[in-house]
Amino acid sequence: QKEVEQNSGPLSVPEGAIASLNCTYSDRGSQSFFWYRQYSGKSPELIMFIYSNGDKEDGRFTAQLNKASQYVSLLIRDSQPSDSATYLCAVLDSSASKIIFGSGTRLSIRP
Amino acid sequence: GAVVSQHPSWVICKSGTSVKIECRSLDFQATTMFWYRQFPKQSLMLMATSNEGSKATYEQGVEKDKFLINHASLTLSTLTVTSAHPEDSSFYICSATDRGEQYFGPGTRLTVT
Repeated sequence: QKEVEQNSGPLSVPEGAIASLNCTYSDRGSQSFFWYRQYSGKSPELIMFIYSNGDKEDGRFTAQLNKASQYVSLLIRDSQPSDSATYLCAVLDSSASKIIFGSGTRLSIRP
Repeated sequence: GAVVSQHPSWVICKSGTSVKIECRSLDFQATTMFWYRQFPKQSLMLMATSNEGSKATYEQGVEKDKFLINHASLTLSTLTVTSAHPEDSSFYICSATDRGEQYFGPGTRLTVT
């Protein structure tokens, strides 16, 4: 059973600080990784994807991938109250042509 | 990014009736679409993979006779919840893949009374 693990949180971060969200996955052969943001009562929204080891930056967001450790993370710089949401880590299971989601980490940015 | 729509956005139905939910890819063609269900404060649960022109692939534990999926064209998949019961009340979300990235529809909130 291929799995994606996340700490459910809640993770509380002061406004303006860096929020760090972590995810591990079980399938060593995985190649594609995604971070989704989901506000309460809404569907998930893709915010980052990463395929290669290292860092990928997009605005205030940085995704980090370490395939050797089977670890992917998301950093949010200058956290804003609007960043408060549940963040879902997802990994492409290419053998089954579907994406496996973690259970999500609830992030709360306190003013 | 690609746009996926769903209709209706919310629906209330009586126990024993059937409800159809539509999922459309608006600006791209999707040979594969996915249907998820999400209960309050829980993560997404993949129900089935919808393949254009062929039968859907259901995840373990999902009743294919209760959740009918039809993917008749490259831009439309439908999920029909047959003989709905209160325990089927949930947030149903579809998604489609465009160039390797998966995009979600806005979801349909189903309430069965």
